[in-house]
Amino acid sequence: QLHLQESGPGLVKASETLSLTCTVSGDSISSSSYYWGWIRQPPGKGLEWIGSIYSGGSTSHHPSLKSRVTISVDTSKNQFSLTLRSLTAADTAVYYCARPVDQWLAGGFDYWGQGTLVTVSS
Amino acid sequence: EIVLTQSPGTLSLSPGERATLSCRASQSVSSGYLAWYQQKPGQAPRLLIYGASSRATGIPDRFSGSGSGAAFTLTISRLEPEDFALYYCQQYSSSPYTFGQGTKLEIK
Repeated sequence: QLHLQESGPGLVKASETLSLTCTVSGDSISSSSYYWGWIRQPPGKGLEWIGSIYSGGSTSHHPSLKSRVTISVDTSKNQFSLTLRSLTAADTAVYYCARPVDQWLAGGFDYWGQGTLVTVSS
Repeated sequence: EIVLTQSPGTLSLSPGERATLSCRASQSVSSGYLAWYQQKPGQAPRLLIYGASSRATGIPDRFSGSGSGAAFTLTISRLEPEDFALYYCQQYSSSPYTFGQGTKLEIK
C-alpha cells in the first residue's frame, strides 16, 4: 500500500525559506513513471497545484510561484522535496504531497499525504 | 491558464436525492483530463473520478462523471449521509493544473 508523508517546520518567518519533504513508502520513485506533486490549501480556501516532479528530475511549476519554487527528488531516500523562498503570509496553508492515478500525467491525484500546516509569521 | 468554474457554490439536498455538480472550463480540456475530488474537514482530498468519467478505486458506483471539451458534470445518483462534503474539479491537460473553487454539498 502506497503511503506518503510530509515533514517540515510548522512555523516559519516571513521572508524566510520553507523546506518540506515527502517520504514515499510502498512504491519506488526511481522505478516508477509518475509525476509526484505538491498541492496546497490556505485555511478555509480551495486547492492550488504548486508543481510536480518526474523521477528523472523534470519539473513543472505554477507560474505564479515559479520564481520562488524548487522541487527536487532524492531517489536514494525515496523522497521528493519542496523549497519555497521569500515567504509571505499568503503562503500560510496546508501543504500536501500526492501521486497521480496515471503514469505520465500530473493530475488526478489518488494518493495523498495527510498534509502539513505551515504558518508564516511576521 | 485554464480557469475552472464550479456551480452551484452550495447545493442543499436531502439524503436519497440526486446531486448534479457542474465544472466549466475557460477553454477545452483536452483528452478529458478532468478529475473530481471529495474533501471532508481536516482530511486530504479523495479522488472520485479521473479522465472525466473513470471511477477511482473503491469509489461507489453512485458517483459518476461525464462531459467533454469545456463542460463536465459529477452526478451522485442517490445521496448517502457521508456524501455531504466539499467537491473540487481539477484539469490536468494544461499546466498549470488548476482546480475549481469548489461546491459545498450540504444537508437540507
